[in-house]
Amino acid sequence: AQKITQTQPGMFVQEKEAVTLDCTYDTSDQSYGLFWYKQPSSGEMIFLIYQGSYDEQNATEGRYSLNFQKARKSANLVISASQLGDSAMYFCAMREARDPHEKLTFGTGTRLTIIP
Amino acid sequence: GAGVSQSPSNKVTEKGKDVELRCDPISGHTALYWYRQRLGQGLEFLIYFQGNSAPDKSGLPSDRFSAERTGESVSTLTIQRTQQEDSAVYLCASSLGFTGYGNTIYFGEGSWLTVV
Repeated sequence: AQKITQTQPGMFVQEKEAVTLDCTYDTSDQSYGLFWYKQPSSGEMIFLIYQGSYDEQNATEGRYSLNFQKARKSANLVISASQLGDSAMYFCAMREARDPHEKLTFGTGTRLTIIP
Repeated sequence: GAGVSQSPSNKVTEKGKDVELRCDPISGHTALYWYRQRLGQGLEFLIYFQGNSAPDKSGLPSDRFSAERTGESVSTLTIQRTQQEDSAVYLCASSLGFTGYGNTIYFGEGSWLTVV
């Protein structure tokens, strides 16, 4: 079974609108971390935001927030007031505490295009 | 250094030749990861280092792939007898080790490998 599922291969959003990128995950571990990365055309993976499984409040970082719904195993990324520079691939990833090597498992990504 | 540094940034090689890709992690980061990303796809885990040892090589696709790390710093990923299916971006990442799943993994800009 896929550990991380991103069901939106591509999205087009008007500039200045908010956008939600979906992510669901699958784990039996109680302790885990969820991450979102942005990958522009240059190829670098840029860390955006982190949510721990025991965090009661949704994480926020500037225009990014993570809508964490633990019971539904959902960790959607919300970008407010989108900008042209937000056009990129976005990856959701998970790190499980039971993995002694703490590696990240990634979803297949969502390509976001911001339309002027 | 300030971030994860990778070289070369681009490499075109002929089928059958060997290539070496280098990664210089963030200073003080004991955990180092190599991932592969084929065009338009997500990230595949290749190998994990903790210090100079590699307890998890589960992602290496074949015995043509090997990696080493020295001085708990620089790592080299070597691909022998390259094949066209090896064409991909090879991403290196590092993080603090042994301190929990919440530590962020920081990525370099990747080495784009093209096998012709």
